Amino acid sequence: GAVVSQHPSWVICKSGTSVKIECRSLDFQATTMFWYRQFPKQSLMLMATSNEGSKATYEQGVEKDKFLINHASLTLSTLTVTSAHPEDSSFYICSAREEELFFGEGSRLTVL
Amino acid sequence: SQQGEEDPQALSIQEGENATMNCSYKTSINNLQWYRQNSGRGLVHLILIRSNEREKHSGRLRVTLDTSKKSSSLLITASRAADTASYFCATDEGTSGSRLTFGEGTQLTVNP
Repeated sequence: GAVVSQHPSWVICKSGTSVKIECRSLDFQATTMFWYRQFPKQSLMLMATSNEGSKATYEQGVEKDKFLINHASLTLSTLTVTSAHPEDSSFYICSAREEELFFGEGSRLTVL
Repeated sequence: SQQGEEDPQALSIQEGENATMNCSYKTSINNLQWYRQNSGRGLVHLILIRSNEREKHSGRLRVTLDTSKKSSSLLITASRAADTASYFCATDEGTSGSRLTFGEGTQLTVNP
């Protein structure tokens, strides 16, 4: 089946630095990808919809300057957490749709 | 209350028993999907049921949908220890067909 790959799986960074997470659709093209955030023992919360060739659509309450999304090609979307702080520590998951929605394995960000 | 509420929040059973998880939602939907998530991993799509369907089977999984009550149930029969995971329902309401709203999830533990 279709595969969505995320990289890195784990990242630890210092407070104030920026971290980039990649989401790739490996064997299909995705004009739209979705970024979710999941805190421990909680559900997934949609952060933004990434649109190839245009600006991302952010959910209410999500800071677009904090979470930069770039969907530069039909197989790659990136999420950059800028000036990360400990409260940004979370599990970030992307998804992309072929006929059904496929999810990446997630990226665990820990900000020290 | 949120779209996609699930109960129970946690369920612990013995191997071989059946596990039933419920999901309720508030708005009209196009379809409802169930996902599984092992700890610290991405989501795996289990089954999709459309709004005009009432019941669907896939292997040991049985999903029902009652649109009049805005509820769905996921039954796992003859459970195995490997079924231990979190299970989420997700509703698809809009025209994009991919913007999912997730429930809070049920943590299932199957004891060997």
